[in-house]
Amino acid sequence: QVTLKESGPVLVKPTETLTLTCTVSGFSLSNSRMGVSWIRQPPGKALEWLAHIFSNGEKSYSTSLKSRLTISKDTSKSQVVLTMTNMDPVDTATFYCARIRERESALDYWGQGTLVTVSS
Amino acid sequence: DIQMTQSPSSLSASVGDRVTITCQASEDIRKYLNWYQQKPGKAPKLLINGASNLETGVPSRFSGSGSGTDFTFTISSLQPEDIATYYCQQYDNLPYTFGQGTKLEIK
Repeated sequence: QVTLKESGPVLVKPTETLTLTCTVSGFSLSNSRMGVSWIRQPPGKALEWLAHIFSNGEKSYSTSLKSRLTISKDTSKSQVVLTMTNMDPVDTATFYCARIRERESALDYWGQGTLVTVSS
Repeated sequence: DIQMTQSPSSLSASVGDRVTITCQASEDIRKYLNWYQQKPGKAPKLLINGASNLETGVPSRFSGSGSGTDFTFTISSLQPEDIATYYCQQYDNLPYTFGQGTKLEIK
């Protein structure tokens, strides 16, 4: 079955760079119709789409966060990595990775999410 | 970026009620809209794609409609397990964007 699992630090300091890894199983990152997105959700707030890597390797980023984000994938390891630079306390959030079914750009499988706190 | 505005932001209804949530896009997104359900402490779940297509396994009391800039999500008969926050998401243009969510509570 399809699963996604986020991993990374639970606590980062202000100005540091956050690196999160999404390890997927049950589908291939080289599948021509599947990609992976990263979404975040501050405590008690709405979902915010961050970045997406398509099956062909094309990438897309949130307009407001584009300068701070980098998404990449390692197909052989079934992993998608997101880095976010210059972390700030307002970036405290649960970060989710999700599979995107490209025909409808629908996020059909989600990881459980990982809470990242930014604090000194 | 395309802005998605949901209303209401919160809603209280009784079991058995018909519940409607609206989602308005800041520009024409044709039918490129998905709906998600998020229960407390859980990841979101995809319910509807393409504005009106129910995902496999999703109860038929859920439905969606609309095109262009105005969309509607309906629960025909509210059940206790439907308590959640619901989000719309457009995919007509990158970057994809979500609505701010509608929190549904039982009266």
